[in-house]
Amino acid sequence: GAVVSQHPSRVICKSGTSVKIECRSLDFQATTMFWYRQFPKQSLMLMATSNEGSKATYEQGVEKDKFLINHASLTLSTLTVTSAHPEDSSFYICSASPGPAGQYFGPGTRLTVT
Amino acid sequence: AQTVTQSQPEMSVQEAETVTLSCTYDTSENNYYLFWYKQPPSRQMILVIRQEAYKQQNATENRFSVNFQKAAKSFSLKISDSQLGDTAMYFCAFMSLNNAGNMLTFGGGTRLMVKP
Repeated sequence: GAVVSQHPSRVICKSGTSVKIECRSLDFQATTMFWYRQFPKQSLMLMATSNEGSKATYEQGVEKDKFLINHASLTLSTLTVTSAHPEDSSFYICSASPGPAGQYFGPGTRLTVT
Repeated sequence: AQTVTQSQPEMSVQEAETVTLSCTYDTSENNYYLFWYKQPPSRQMILVIRQEAYKQQNATENRFSVNFQKAAKSFSLKISDSQLGDTAMYFCAFMSLNNAGNMLTFGGGTRLMVKP
């Protein structure tokens, strides 16, 4: 149980275009989902917390107009990187939480902006 | 705010041996959970073990066990009979039960290499 899927696993896009990443909890409902960014050999950096039916809460320094988050249902959250630039290239990971039992993570998306 | 510190950036262990990864945390709260997550080369984050702060008994999951010292704010992970598949980054994490959002605070990670 507690499986989280993330799609796509890899994406290459051109500078200036937008990319959408989907995160789904497959066998549980998640009132809260999280989006992280991870640089090589570093820990996870929380970008935003997404609650179903309400606006996402962004961490300091994360541009909310650039990283659009939508949490339309209890099993789906999306992250859209708008007007992507090479510096947005990174590994993005989502997680979903069924409660205080912890967070369950998706397999991640490697974004490369050329 | 909580902080989580993993003082060992890298460790190595021989296959079948035992290794202990350190984690300390700082919090003024009394109700919380602690976690160890594993991130193998695939980069999929996997929950290894969870400890509720109100429980005195240390959590165990097969070859993985923790030494939870609440007063010292220490939460180490012991891996027994290390296997090659244990090679990964290990992250210690804190979750406050007072935080309705179930947010995790991560340590910086320890890279563990299991040698044949």
